[in-house]
Amino acid sequence: EVQLVESGGGLVQPGRSLRLSCAASGFTFDDYAMHWVRQAPGKGLEWVSGINWNSDTIAYADSVKGRFTISRDNAKNSLYLQMNSLRPEDTALYYCAKDMSGIQLRYFDSWGQGTLVTVSS
Amino acid sequence: DIQMTQSPSTLSASVGDRVTITCRASQSVSTWLAWYQQKPGKVPKLLIYKTSSLESGVPSRFSGSGSGTEFALTITSLQPDDFATYYCQQYDNSPFTFGPGTKVDIK
Repeated sequence: EVQLVESGGGLVQPGRSLRLSCAASGFTFDDYAMHWVRQAPGKGLEWVSGINWNSDTIAYADSVKGRFTISRDNAKNSLYLQMNSLRPEDTALYYCAKDMSGIQLRYFDSWGQGTLVTVSS
Repeated sequence: DIQMTQSPSTLSASVGDRVTITCRASQSVSTWLAWYQQKPGKVPKLLIYKTSSLESGVPSRFSGSGSGTEFALTITSLQPDDFATYYCQQYDNSPFTFGPGTKVDIK
């Protein structure tokens, strides 16, 4: 059974940084691309970033480009999101999501429970 | 960037009804479109990928159709478990965008 467990969320002041982690189990992690998707309170889904199996394809939403960095450690079965220069509009539940593909970035067939990031002074 | 729209934003229906949700893309996404279901306080669940392919375990009352810029999710004979919010998502081009969602509630 696929399990994705996010951690690292919390309350942070605007302009500060936070690093999210996602621990994966139940599948061969380095066979699949991975993503971060967020959902602001009471709002819809927003794709944030994706990374393919060997990290040579990485993409970001325009809203986070230049501020967020996605990475993965296949030896540790882990996905990360380094978030810098945080803004109040980054406040959301951040989901780690598994792609159905390894090489390309496609769609999300498994999701974690999410970790809440609140950006506020 | 490709913009996704959905209609209606809210749909009131009864158990047993046939319901259709429409998703439109601002430019062609071929058939690279997925649908997700999300219930309040729950994680999104993949229903359909590549426009019309049903994810394993998803009931056959769900179906998808379309191509290019216009797509539809149809639920034949709505069940109590189907009251939820539905999102389309294009994965033709990064950034991968979701529609704003369609909430299906009880009439």
